[in-house]
Amino acid sequence: DIQMTQSPSTLSASVGDRVTITCRASQSITTSLAWYQQKPGKAPNVLIYKASSLQSGVPSRFSGSGSGTEFTLTISSLQPDDFATYYCQQHNSYPRTFGQGTKVEIK
Amino acid sequence: EVQVVESGGGLVQPGGSLRLSCAGSGFTLSSSWMSWLRQAPGKGLEWVANIKHDGGEKYYVDSVKGRFTISRDNAKNSLYLQMNSLRAEDTAIYYCARDGAGYSIDWGQGTLVTVSS
Repeated sequence: DIQMTQSPSTLSASVGDRVTITCRASQSITTSLAWYQQKPGKAPNVLIYKASSLQSGVPSRFSGSGSGTEFTLTISSLQPDDFATYYCQQHNSYPRTFGQGTKVEIK
Repeated sequence: EVQVVESGGGLVQPGGSLRLSCAGSGFTLSSSWMSWLRQAPGKGLEWVANIKHDGGEKYYVDSVKGRFTISRDNAKNSLYLQMNSLRAEDTAIYYCARDGAGYSIDWGQGTLVTVSS
């Protein structure tokens, strides 16, 4: 199975900050990576797919980059609605696997 | 509007069985890969299984192989997860999702499965 490792596990930031979350795969997944946002008590929402494609309806302050084994999710200017937990998921091979999550907290 | 609604969760004893259902609307379920995913209390996300639009391909995470079966009835716009030989570690919120090119686009709100004596 492909192991996905996110860093950091927790991130404290302020409104307006630029935030970057990293996701590393244990082997190459080309660009088969998705990012999800999850708020407490809610189902996840997909933000980015194929590493850098913005899902319809997602604000443009979210962006994704990377290929192979290293990927990043960037929020260009953190908004109050963005405080949540973020997960990466590889969709290159089975079983699909997720990172452990990154919780973005208010500083 | 795309909607995915799960049902069938509840409390079950270890070793017992449960069948989850998922109803889709606002999209053509018969054209979509569909997935089940889960999240144990306070834990991260775990992909469980998925199924091709015509039911011809199915994939499972190793921890549920031989115990869980994913199926679909396109005529009823429905997806199912038959769960047998349930264990305490299967306790989780189970989500049904419509898939895109390998990732999950539209998620339901989930149904809670608790395995406990």
